[in-house]
Amino acid sequence: LAKTTQPISMDSYEGQEVNITCSHNNIATNDYITWYQQFPSQGPRFIIQGYKTKVTNEVASLFIPADRKSSTLSLPRVSLSDTAVYYCLVGASTDSWGKLQFGAGTQVVVTP
Amino acid sequence: EAGVAQSPRYKIIEKRQSVAFWCNPISGHATLYWYQQILGQGPKLLIQFQNNGVVDDSQLPKDRFSAERLKGVDSTLKIQPAKLEDSAVYLCASSQTRRTGEKLFFGSGTQLSVL
Repeated sequence: LAKTTQPISMDSYEGQEVNITCSHNNIATNDYITWYQQFPSQGPRFIIQGYKTKVTNEVASLFIPADRKSSTLSLPRVSLSDTAVYYCLVGASTDSWGKLQFGAGTQVVVTP
Repeated sequence: EAGVAQSPRYKIIEKRQSVAFWCNPISGHATLYWYQQILGQGPKLLIQFQNNGVVDDSQLPKDRFSAERLKGVDSTLKIQPAKLEDSAVYLCASSQTRRTGEKLFFGSGTQLSVL
């Protein structure tokens, strides 16, 4: 299974764009890239998922280069409520969730 | 749509006592997970059910932890006896299938403090 590496923390100001890069050098052909967000005292929440190129939804964008060895979660114009931990997970749709590991994630802190 | 329900929200016990957590997944979700999240770490899977059968319990400390999902809906996770290192948030999640492509829906968790 692909091992992921992401920054431990990132700071930003309100209104800025936040980009979190996740490295997954040994990603397999069938692997998808999924990001979860976790607020304090809550369980993680699905943000976005992609396989290649770019995916966008109402919350974020996910950029995946052609070699797929990394991916970047982009949060446009963040607000204080975007302060959370963000997890990158990589795995194949045929795998069981039991094979995936949440890492420590990236703590994003947004200040006024 | 109702989310994943968990109770209690908080629990404080002394070491060597027993404790139980309850989870009600989203209606129709066949797969149910219990995760342990220690402060500062990501969630760690303890056990995964598909309907009422266990799919993966390789990371469950079976000498003290047990879980069941008898009718394929609600689930309980029990710790007996508890140790200090069991202090953590216990998260329940569910998904329609067990594939990683499926979204996981998490409850708010039970915060356990073992004194």
